[in-house]
Amino acid sequence: AQTVTQSQPEMSVQEAETVTLSCTYDTSESDYYLFWYKQPPSRQMILVIRQEAYKQQNATENRFSVNFQKAAKSFSLKISDSQLGDAAMYFCAYRKTSNTGKLIFGQGTTLQVKP
Amino acid sequence: DTEVTQTPKHLVMGMTNKKSLKCEQHMGHRAMYWYKQKAKKPPELMFVYSYEKLSINESVPSRFSPECPNSSLLNLHLHALQPEDSALYLCASSQEASWNTEAFFGQGTRLTVV
Repeated sequence: AQTVTQSQPEMSVQEAETVTLSCTYDTSESDYYLFWYKQPPSRQMILVIRQEAYKQQNATENRFSVNFQKAAKSFSLKISDSQLGDAAMYFCAYRKTSNTGKLIFGQGTTLQVKP
Repeated sequence: DTEVTQTPKHLVMGMTNKKSLKCEQHMGHRAMYWYKQKAKKPPELMFVYSYEKLSINESVPSRFSPECPNSSLLNLHLHALQPEDSALYLCASSQEASWNTEAFFGQGTRLTVV
């Protein structure tokens, strides 16, 4: 069975600085997708960034980038120039390439941004 | 329109009540999902509908009954719930269940069973 582990329950960062959230996963599949979702107090899950396992190049979306290490099964999220609006719970998620669409989430990391 | 709309936003119900949660999307997505999320925990998949047919039921108790009347609507009928069923219920949709497409989530319904 696939599992996703986020070992940092809480993180904090000063506004305008950089923070990295960790995620590891376990799977025997060779092809899959990885995601980072953000859930602010408004409750809505918002996709931050995604990575296809077959792509070696790390995904980037504006201030958000990932460090994808397939052999190590590691998928960390780097947030640069942190903003107050980045404060939220961040979930790492895994989905295998099948016809289910099922997302498996990690336990989440609560990010606090200090002004 | 990239919204998934869930109603109601909050619901309090007794253990003998029957209620329904509603989810609607107009993005032309053919896959829709129900997730359950307890406080400070990750969402857990309950059901997947693909082309209006139930494709996954994650061993959810029968007191939860999903329904997909058409490609834009997804309901979750609730009956004889227990206090431990209190949670945030999230609906999501994606273009297809099998493609690498983004899942869009609604804001959820906060359910309290008393």
